[in-house]
Amino acid sequence: DAGVIQSPRHEVTEMGQEVTLRCKPISGHDYLFWYRQTMMRGLELLIYFNNNVPIDDSGMPEDRFSAKMPNASFSTLKIQPSEPRDSAVYFCASSFGQDSTDTQYFGPGTRLTVL
Amino acid sequence: QKEVEQNSGPLSVPEGAIASLNCTYSDRVSQSFFWYRQYSGKSPELIMSIYSNGDKEDGRFTAQLNKASQYVSLLIRDSQPSDSATYLCAVDDNNDMRFGAGTRLTVKP
Repeated sequence: DAGVIQSPRHEVTEMGQEVTLRCKPISGHDYLFWYRQTMMRGLELLIYFNNNVPIDDSGMPEDRFSAKMPNASFSTLKIQPSEPRDSAVYFCASSFGQDSTDTQYFGPGTRLTVL
Repeated sequence: QKEVEQNSGPLSVPEGAIASLNCTYSDRVSQSFFWYRQYSGKSPELIMSIYSNGDKEDGRFTAQLNKASQYVSLLIRDSQPSDSATYLCAVDDNNDMRFGAGTRLTVKP
């Protein structure tokens, strides 16, 4: 299996621009998670989906952030408009099982820099 | 605010020694506990999970959980230079996964 796939791996953009991060979970996994990692705040859960339905988005920092999962093999995390404080590594993870605490497999991450 | 606290280190041990990593958490109802390893510039990788009080061993790794003290630890026996990484403690409470800031471990040859 190819594992969790994320694109792009690196993104540099200017403040105010729209940014879209993409994720393809492991085939057959029914949970998908979006995390953000910074030196200051560590690894934070932003939102997770079960069977393509958003279950908990309480970690989404503000309305500028939105996430979708139109089908079982694709999810996006969008930031509009982007700000320098959004600079971070964004990880997507997926898992299989009735409990979201089942082993989560992380993608390689997208390193976002907002100038 | 639910907190997961780790000593940020860095923790340095000689090759072959035991590395001890500690984590405390604030929410008493937490049920599931995890240790992730993250190499520099890489994504987190699950190495241990533990759900009940006591010890759980997997090869050179032993996770210890004490729910009464709200404490979870990871012991790495016979530490190797390849164990040098940041170790993240994670605590799950009703599908709300929270991570500690991580402890950076260096194993010196």
